[in-house]
Amino acid sequence: AQTVTQSQPEMSVQEAETVTLSCTYDTSESDYYLFWYKQPPSRQMILVIRQEAYKQQNATENRFSVNFQKAAKSFSLKISDSQLGDAAMYFCAYWGYSGAGSYQLTFGKGTKLSVIP
Amino acid sequence: DAGVTQSPTHLIKTRGQQVTLRCSPKSGHDTVSWYQQALGQGPQFIFQYYEEEERQRGNFPDRFSGHQFPNYSSELNVNALLLGDSALYLCASSWDEGDEDEQFFGPGTRLTVL
Repeated sequence: AQTVTQSQPEMSVQEAETVTLSCTYDTSESDYYLFWYKQPPSRQMILVIRQEAYKQQNATENRFSVNFQKAAKSFSLKISDSQLGDAAMYFCAYWGYSGAGSYQLTFGKGTKLSVIP
Repeated sequence: DAGVTQSPTHLIKTRGQQVTLRCSPKSGHDTVSWYQQALGQGPQFIFQYYEEEERQRGNFPDRFSGHQFPNYSSELNVNALLLGDSALYLCASSWDEGDEDEQFFGPGTRLTVL
């Protein structure tokens, strides 16, 4: 079964600084998608950024970018110019074949990001 | 354009009872997935509905069942509630003909089992 590991339960960053959240995953598939979701205290899960495994170029969305290392099965999120509104739980997620004809989204346990004014 | 909506927002039940949670997908979406998020954990996939049938299922017991209606809305039913069923239940919708991996989440229903 696919697994997603986020080794940093909590992180903090100074406002306007840069922070990197780590994620590793385990899969035997070659075609899959990876995501970072943000979950603020309002509980709404919001998609931050998406990476297709067959694309070598790292995805970028404004202040958010990823470092996708397919061979190492690593998918880190970099947040530049951190803002107070970035404070939230961040979940790394994998979408792909999970066996028996099934595809599903598998989440890590999350990293709680605090932004210090 | 309305996003994914869920009802109720909060729910308190006692052990052994049954509960029904509801979800309306984002406009234009035809696929609904349900997730259970225990406190301090990431969401876990329960099952997915498409064309009014359960298409995929995660590692959850048969006490968890669902339904999808012709208008694509969905219900999650949990029978014989256990204390361990206390969690945030998230619904996500997607469009089968689109990038199925791109799911849009609702705000969730917080279930407390006493």
